[in-house]
Amino acid sequence: GAVVSQHPSRVICKSGTSVKIECRSLDFQATTMFWYRQFPKQSLMLMATSNEGSKATYEQGVEKDKFLINHASLTLSTLTVTSAHPEDSSFYICSARSWGPYTDTQYFGPGTRLTVL
Amino acid sequence: SQQGEEDPQALSIQEGENATMNCSYKTSINNLQWYRQNSGRGLVHLILIRSNEREKHSGRLRVTLDTSKKSSSLLITASRAADTASYFCATGLDGGAQKLVFGQGTRLTINP
Repeated sequence: GAVVSQHPSRVICKSGTSVKIECRSLDFQATTMFWYRQFPKQSLMLMATSNEGSKATYEQGVEKDKFLINHASLTLSTLTVTSAHPEDSSFYICSARSWGPYTDTQYFGPGTRLTVL
Repeated sequence: SQQGEEDPQALSIQEGENATMNCSYKTSINNLQWYRQNSGRGLVHLILIRSNEREKHSGRLRVTLDTSKKSSSLLITASRAADTASYFCATGLDGGAQKLVFGQGTRLTINP
């Protein structure tokens, strides 16, 4: 099946620093990737839709200047949490859309746990 | 915003028993998908059912969809300890981006 990787899997940083998370589709091209965040024992909340070669589309309430998304190639999207604060601590999960004549499925990365001290 | 509501929120059964989880949603959908998430891990896609389908099988999984009631169910037969995980339904809305809206999830525990 299609594989999506995320790097790093875990990051701890000091308040005020920026953190970049990478999402890669390893064996397929993805013009569309998605970024979610998940708080403990809660569901996934869509943050933004990342489109290759164009600006990301953010969900209501998500600060685009806080969460910078870049989708520079068909296999890589990055999420940068700028000036991170403790309330940004969460589990961030990306997915990549694989679609064709017979399929339209999102494949999820393993997630990145961000802890801001 | 969340669209799906899942029932029950938590389910604990004995190994070998069947597990049934339900999902309800509010708006029209293009498809509904079920995912599994082990603790602290990413999501694994289990099955997709389109809005014009009523039932779908995959191994020990059986999914039904009732668009008139805006509900779906996931049945896992002959459960195993390895099935212990959280299960989420996600609805795919109309549109090319295929945005998914996730339900709150059911935490399933299979006791050996």
